[in-house]
Amino acid sequence: GQNIDQPTEMTATEGAIVQINCTYQTSGFNGLFWYQQHAGEAPTFLSYNVLDGLEEKGRFSSFLSRSKGYSYLLLKELQMKDSASYLCAVRDPGYQKVTFGIGTKLQVIP
Amino acid sequence: DTAVSQTPKYLVTQMGNDKSIKCEQNLGHDTMYWYKQDSKKFLKIMFSYNNKELIINETVPNRFSPKSPDKAHLNLHINSLELGDSAVYFCASSLRTSGGETQYFGPGTRLLVL
Repeated sequence: GQNIDQPTEMTATEGAIVQINCTYQTSGFNGLFWYQQHAGEAPTFLSYNVLDGLEEKGRFSSFLSRSKGYSYLLLKELQMKDSASYLCAVRDPGYQKVTFGIGTKLQVIP
Repeated sequence: DTAVSQTPKYLVTQMGNDKSIKCEQNLGHDTMYWYKQDSKKFLKIMFSYNNKELIINETVPNRFSPKSPDKAHLNLHINSLELGDSAVYFCASSLRTSGGETQYFGPGTRLLVL
């Protein structure tokens, strides 16, 4: 099975940088996803990491360390529209099941 | 030209009733999923089908029965609805089950059991 931990809430200021951490303990690993979910809406894909290192995509970057069971999502130049929940999810190698963490609710304030 | 669509968007019903939620994807994907997101916003996999074949069946009461008539559709039928079934149900699809295949989510069905 998978056990995924991430902070439940964070607050950051518009224009700043915020890092959302995710740690996982798994019986197997085949990649880690980050999804964004605005209130009342469906999750949307942000990033996927399967190898160690940093993946950059515009204002968003995602980092993975498989040996430490650790990932983070870095959001730069925060905008008010970035206020949302950010879900860390781990893919299981067996059934290819994706297990989601509880999500981190990020509030961006002026 | 919505990629993943679900109907209905809202469903309010009495305890003990039977209801169905429909999902369709026009992305040509092979794999479809049903997730349940409870009041604490925890998103949990229920079922997954790959090309009409059931590949993931989590510990879900057998009152829940998925049906995939073809690979573009995955419907969810729920018998004898209970108060605890109240949640948002998301359908999703991905090209395949392997690798870093992104899952595309439908808009969700908000089920309220009274």
